[in-house]
Amino acid sequence: DIQMTQSPSTLSASVGDRVTITCRASQSISSWLAWFQQKPGKAPKLLIYKASILESGVPSRFSGSGSGTEFTLTISSLQPDDFATYYCQQYDAYPRTFGQGTKVEIK
Amino acid sequence: EVQLVDSGGGLVQPGGSLRLSCAASGFTFNNHAMSWVRQAPGKGLEWVSTLGGSGGSADYADSVKGRFTISRDNSKNTLYLQMSSLKTEDTALYFCARHKRWRLGYCSSAGCSVDFWGQGTLVTVSS
Repeated sequence: DIQMTQSPSTLSASVGDRVTITCRASQSISSWLAWFQQKPGKAPKLLIYKASILESGVPSRFSGSGSGTEFTLTISSLQPDDFATYYCQQYDAYPRTFGQGTKVEIK
Repeated sequence: EVQLVDSGGGLVQPGGSLRLSCAASGFTFNNHAMSWVRQAPGKGLEWVSTLGGSGGSADYADSVKGRFTISRDNSKNTLYLQMSSLKTEDTALYFCARHKRWRLGYCSSAGCSVDFWGQGTLVTVSS
């Protein structure tokens, strides 16, 4: 199975900060990576797919990069609505594994 | 408007069975693979199973293989998850999720990214 490791597990930041979350795969997954945002008690929401393609309707302050085994999700200027937990998921192979999540908290 | 409405969760004893449903609307259901993903209380997301749009090929997590069966009725625009031999560790919020429609260059050989989720239905396995 492909293991997905996110870092950090928790991130404390302020409104306006630039935030970067890293996701590492245990083997190459090309660009077959998605990023999701989840707020408490809600369903996840797709932000980025194929590592860097912004899903329709998602604000442009979100961006994704990387290929192979190392990927990043960047929020260019953190907004109040962005405090949530973020997950990466590979869809290169089954089982489709998720990272353990990164919780973005208010500093 | 795309909608996925999950239902069928509840309290069940260990060893029991339950069938979850996911009613889809607002899109052409049989054009999309569908998945179930679960989230144990206070934990992260765990992929459970995926089924192709025609219903012909299914994949399962090792943790549920042989106990859970994914299926779909394209005439009813509904996805199902039949769960049997339930264990306490199956306690979770179960989400159904739609995959993007297949498109060359945008999907891997294993399929496409999930792009929309239901609201989830809670399954509690306890005596």
